Amino acid sequence: QQQVKQSPQSLIVQKGGISIINCAYENTAFDYFPWYQQFPGKGPALLIAIRPDVSEKKEGRFTISFNKSAKQFSLHIMDSQPGDSATYFCAASEDFGNEKLTFGTGTRLTIIP
Amino acid sequence: NAGVTQTPKFRILKIGQSMTLQCTQDMNHNYMYWYRQDPGMGLKLIYYSVGAGITDKGEVPNGYNVSRSTTEDFPLRLELAAPSQTSVYFCASSSGPSYGYTFGSGTRLTVV
Repeated sequence: QQQVKQSPQSLIVQKGGISIINCAYENTAFDYFPWYQQFPGKGPALLIAIRPDVSEKKEGRFTISFNKSAKQFSLHIMDSQPGDSATYFCAASEDFGNEKLTFGTGTRLTIIP
Repeated sequence: NAGVTQTPKFRILKIGQSMTLQCTQDMNHNYMYWYRQDPGMGLKLIYYSVGAGITDKGEVPNGYNVSRSTTEDFPLRLELAAPSQTSVYFCASSSGPSYGYTFGSGTRLTVV
């Protein structure tokens, strides 16, 4: 049973455009929602994270939007650049105790000139 | 500043062989994790540890074993390798809630 559903599987965006990746979760006990960025041959790296007490968090060109009632959250990449081409994973964890992350299936983002 | 170090980077095993994937972190993190990554499937948790001497199963533990004798090391043991264990394995560590994971660069394992 997949607890975090991520879409789309792949995404092609023109340079300068907005990239949007969506995730939906089922477990209402989730209270920490990070996004990870992975380049080929590398391990994932933490990009940005949000908790459900806020509806939006912005760091530079990256923004997380969070909708608690719909159990959805999304990553927006503004002014997308070729260097943003990577695989993006959303994730969620349930409690403060052991912080086990459940990951989405990933989105391969390609930014074209 | 090494972070999380995984060895080996690549390995080919024959069916039925055994091996240990090594993971070491130098950040004094209490929490450590092993994930496997398969195409289109995301990352699945195999085992995790919240401190030396404490380990627990994740979502896909069958065919694997772990130990955590020190804070720094968290090796993953594969016994009787099967083709279904062909995957990329990632070790990660964390200092606690809300601090995120630091991942190693992965081990690509092929079982033939």
